[in-house]
Amino acid sequence: DAKTTQPNSMESNEEEPVHLPCNHSTISGTDYIHWYRQLPSQGPEYVIHGLTSNVNNRMASLAIAEDRKSSTLILHRATLRDAAVYYCILRDALYSGGGADGLTFGKGTHLIIQP
Amino acid sequence: EAQVTQNPRYLITVTGKKLTVTCSQNMNHEYMSWYRQDPGLGLRQIYYSMNVEVTDKGDVPEGYKVSRKEKRNFPLILESPSPNQTSLYFCASSPSMGGRNEQFFGPGTRLTVL
Repeated sequence: DAKTTQPNSMESNEEEPVHLPCNHSTISGTDYIHWYRQLPSQGPEYVIHGLTSNVNNRMASLAIAEDRKSSTLILHRATLRDAAVYYCILRDALYSGGGADGLTFGKGTHLIIQP
Repeated sequence: EAQVTQNPRYLITVTGKKLTVTCSQNMNHEYMSWYRQDPGLGLRQIYYSMNVEVTDKGDVPEGYKVSRKEKRNFPLILESPSPNQTSLYFCASSPSMGGRNEQFFGPGTRLTVL
């Protein structure tokens, strides 16, 4: 899977929007952009994913640059429960086996929410 | 409720005593996977399964075995655990392989091998 780059940490205030950036300049045409988060002492949790168009779900929005070399996860109104490590990951839609295919979690962005 | 369950959640054992960590999903997913998470190393894949009776090695398969005899279950077996297998283990499932689908993770099993 291609590499992604995220800031080590970000801080935001409660009830304000949060924009978490991710750079993926070597993305291929069949790579989906996935976001997961991990709260302290819990398993990773799926947040959102997309290929080319912007995506919205109940948790967040994903804005994908036109050239797909970067994306931004948007939490519209952060709460204290959103404090977690957020991981941006690329996953090839065409992978069909023959070696490790696991999600490669880098260091992610540690999101701190101030009350 | 759609979920991935793991048992036990916590386990302390001794070197060489065989153990099994169970994983079960109720979403009829074809794909299941095991990861371990260690400080500073992120999540590393141990084994995965594309479907019943089909398994393959991940990045760190040494010392582990898996089986997929039925779709919902994917147990992780440590035949002779050693202290370097002390870790936090996560099971995950997905409708299928590849990037089109999200993965759903279990709550984790914290294993300590003395």
